[in-house]
Amino acid sequence: SYVLTQPPSVSVAPGQTARITCGGNNIGSKSVHWYQQKPGQAPVLVVYDDSDRPSGIPERFSGSNSGNTATLTISRVEAGDEADYYCQVWDGSSDHRVFGGGTKLTVL
Amino acid sequence: QVQLVQSGAEVKKPGASVKVSCKASGYTFTDYGFSWVRQAPGQGLEWMGWISTYTGNTVYARILQGRVTMTTDTSTSTAYMELRSLRSDDTAVYYCAREPSNSSRGDYWGQGTLVTVSS
Repeated sequence: SYVLTQPPSVSVAPGQTARITCGGNNIGSKSVHWYQQKPGQAPVLVVYDDSDRPSGIPERFSGSNSGNTATLTISRVEAGDEADYYCQVWDGSSDHRVFGGGTKLTVL
Repeated sequence: QVQLVQSGAEVKKPGASVKVSCKASGYTFTDYGFSWVRQAPGQGLEWMGWISTYTGNTVYARILQGRVTMTTDTSTSTAYMELRSLRSDDTAVYYCAREPSNSSRGDYWGQGTLVTVSS
């Protein structure tokens, strides 16, 4: 089965740029979606199809995907961005959705 | 506006079954499918399966095959997830997530339903 690998944690100072990676075999050939989840809340879609943003999501959130790594980039990080972030793809060979293990973003 | 409202928390004994509902409003129900996702305490997101509201077709995660059934009722715009033969490690928050027909992204999520399995 297809596996997505995320770093368990990323730390960044306010105003800096956070980059959260999602590794998978030839992930560049798949569409990657990213979710933000704050404690006690349901996940929220922040980037879809590698780099598109749903309405209402700040432009500070962006995504890229190439080769074996997809990246969620959060510019000008704010305290309110502190959350868990998950990447997700559809694995066509199994018709399964797959989530990464999640990355806890800490704003120092 | 799009809303997905799930049923309330449940406490079940090992071996029992649970059925969680997800009532949709604010859009045409059959234009979108649903995935169900669960999250054990302190853990990450686990995809459980997907159902087409248009055809009723389903795809279930291999690890849950034989224990899970997903259905929809188009007359009430409600999706259901039933999990049988519950074990303690099924204790989790269960979410429904709406998916556009041409994508696997969950663009709207229910608020979650806590299912506790305990003797």
